[in-house]
Amino acid sequence: GAGVSQTPSNKVTEKGKYVELRCDPISGHTALYWYRQSLGQGPEFLIYFQGTGAADDSGLPNDRFFAVRPEGSVSTLKIQRTERGDSAVYLCASSSSGGRTDTQYFGPGTRLTVL
Amino acid sequence: KQEVTQIPAALSVPEGENLVLNCSFTDSAIYNLQWFRQDPGKGLTSLLLIQSSQREQTSGRLNASLDKSSGRSTLYIAASQPGDSATYLCAAENDYKLSFGAGTTVTVRA
Repeated sequence: GAGVSQTPSNKVTEKGKYVELRCDPISGHTALYWYRQSLGQGPEFLIYFQGTGAADDSGLPNDRFFAVRPEGSVSTLKIQRTERGDSAVYLCASSSSGGRTDTQYFGPGTRLTVL
Repeated sequence: KQEVTQIPAALSVPEGENLVLNCSFTDSAIYNLQWFRQDPGKGLTSLLLIQSSQREQTSGRLNASLDKSSGRSTLYIAASQPGDSATYLCAAENDYKLSFGAGTTVTVRA
């Protein structure tokens, strides 16, 4: 079956611009996660959705970052007034129910470059 | 805050040798410990998930152990192959979110 997909695979933008990154989770998965991975580091947690609601957004670095999941499937990560420090690979993952024994399945990521 | 450390940062071995990758974490109140593989420019592929109540998990040539009280996990890869060359990440799960180490980059020489 289809895995987690993310679009676009690459995004180049200029400092100060607005960007949207999309994640399509595995069909039927109720839990969805966003992580950010900088070069040479492991991914860092940003936000966790259970259904349509953000259950934990403690990893969002500041109020320029926002994520939605209006129908409980596709999610969009939105970044306003982008800065060069936002350049990273943004990874999305989903799991069947968000339970403690659930494996998180990751998408291929969106590489964001802010010039 | 959970801190995860992986040692060594890089490892190069000849084909056929066994691999030992180490992971340590500071907060032992984890739900589970997961090992992932990441190929260059790609996403993460889940290898093994060890629940907090378990001591080890095995899948083919891979075996992962967990000592929650000491905050350690070890991934063993038997009889390494060039196709095992990748970065291996461990992640500890607390409160539904994963905290990752920086990874161990493995090169298996043919």
